[in-house]
Amino acid sequence: DIQMTQSPSSLSASVGDRVTITCRASQTIYTYLNWYQQKPGKAPNLLIYATSTLESGVPSRFSGSGSGTDFTLTISNVQPEDFATYYCQQSYSSPPVTFGQGTRLEIK
Amino acid sequence: QVQLVQSGAEVKKPGASVKVSCKGSGYSFMRFGITWVRQAPGQGLEWMGWITDNNGNTKYAEKFQGRVTMTTDTSTSTAYMELRSLRPDDTAVYFCARLVTGISARFDPWGQGTLVSVSS
Repeated sequence: DIQMTQSPSSLSASVGDRVTITCRASQTIYTYLNWYQQKPGKAPNLLIYATSTLESGVPSRFSGSGSGTDFTLTISNVQPEDFATYYCQQSYSSPPVTFGQGTRLEIK
Repeated sequence: QVQLVQSGAEVKKPGASVKVSCKGSGYSFMRFGITWVRQAPGQGLEWMGWITDNNGNTKYAEKFQGRVTMTTDTSTSTAYMELRSLRPDDTAVYFCARLVTGISARFDPWGQGTLVSVSS
């Protein structure tokens, strides 16, 4: 199975900051990488698929990049509603689908 | 709008079974698969498996093989996930999500989640 490792596990940021979350796959997944946002007590919400394609309705301050084994999610100009946990998910070698362990973005 | 609505919370004894439902609306249910993901308290997301089309083709995570069954009823646009031989560590929120295939298989949207508590 492909293992997905996110870093950091948590980070603190202020409104207006630019933040970057990294996701590393244990083997190449080309660009078969998706990102989800989850707020406490809620279901995950798809943000980005195929590494860099923004899901409809997702603000343009979110962006994704990468290929192969290394990927990043960037939030420019963090807004109060962005404080949440973010998960990456690979779909190259599926099943099984695998998720990263999550990155919690907190208010500084 | 596209929506998945799940059944309510369940409390079960160890060894029992649970069956969670997930009703789709706002789209052609038959054209998409359904996946199931669970989240233990304070933990991350764990993929359980999926049912990919209305022929009932399924793939399960190895961890759940033999203990889980995923089905759909296209007449009511409802998917079901049954988990048997429940253990306390099966306590989790269980989510269904629509499986969108293509350039990168993704889950969108998700149901609201169903809390399954397993305790003696």
